[in-house]
Amino acid sequence: KQEVTQIPAALSVPEGENLVLNCSFTDSAIYNLQWFRQDPGKGLTSLLLIQSSQREQTSGRLNASLDKSSGRSTLYIAASQPGDSATYLCAVRPIKAAGNKLTFGGGTRVLVKP
Amino acid sequence: DAGVIQSPRHEVTEMGQEVTLRCKPISGHNSLFWYRQTMMRGLELLIYFNNNVPIDDSGMPEDRFSAKMPNASFSTLKIQPSEPRDSAVYFCASSSGLANEQFFGPGTRLTVL
Repeated sequence: KQEVTQIPAALSVPEGENLVLNCSFTDSAIYNLQWFRQDPGKGLTSLLLIQSSQREQTSGRLNASLDKSSGRSTLYIAASQPGDSATYLCAVRPIKAAGNKLTFGGGTRVLVKP
Repeated sequence: DAGVIQSPRHEVTEMGQEVTLRCKPISGHNSLFWYRQTMMRGLELLIYFNNNVPIDDSGMPEDRFSAKMPNASFSTLKIQPSEPRDSAVYFCASSSGLANEQFFGPGTRLTVL
């Protein structure tokens, strides 16, 4: 059974510092991995999707890497801003799963202090 | 596009009552997902549809839960009878194709008293 873990569960950094968020998964047989952002009381916003054949994806200040063999993905957020404060979740789609079934990690709650 | 639309945004009901949550996926998306999020269990997939057909309902907690997708632009999740432990935020998401990005709605916060 695929398990997705995000450590730490919470992170606090001063504004301007780079953020490094970790995601690990137990079964490397994945189709893709998706990073989401969730603001309090809101839905999930898709940030980046990495296919299993890719090693990284970039969008603005965000960069996500994928090391399938070691079961890890890292989300980097450069020059953090208070507006980056949110919970970040990663989710994997296992190859063996039917259709587009995602398994989510527990999330990392980020606070960027001005 | 308005994104995934869910209604109601908030629902407060009493134990034993029927609850119906509604979802309109993004136009053109052919996969639709229902999730539940709680502090204790995080985000759990309840059921998903592809081309209006239920593909995997293994996450549906028990027979009190049912979901339908009568057409490509509408889906419902029904709980009958509701119980306090059903209190959670219920999300609907949609995607185009089986392996593409999932886009989430704003969620319905359900409170069962």
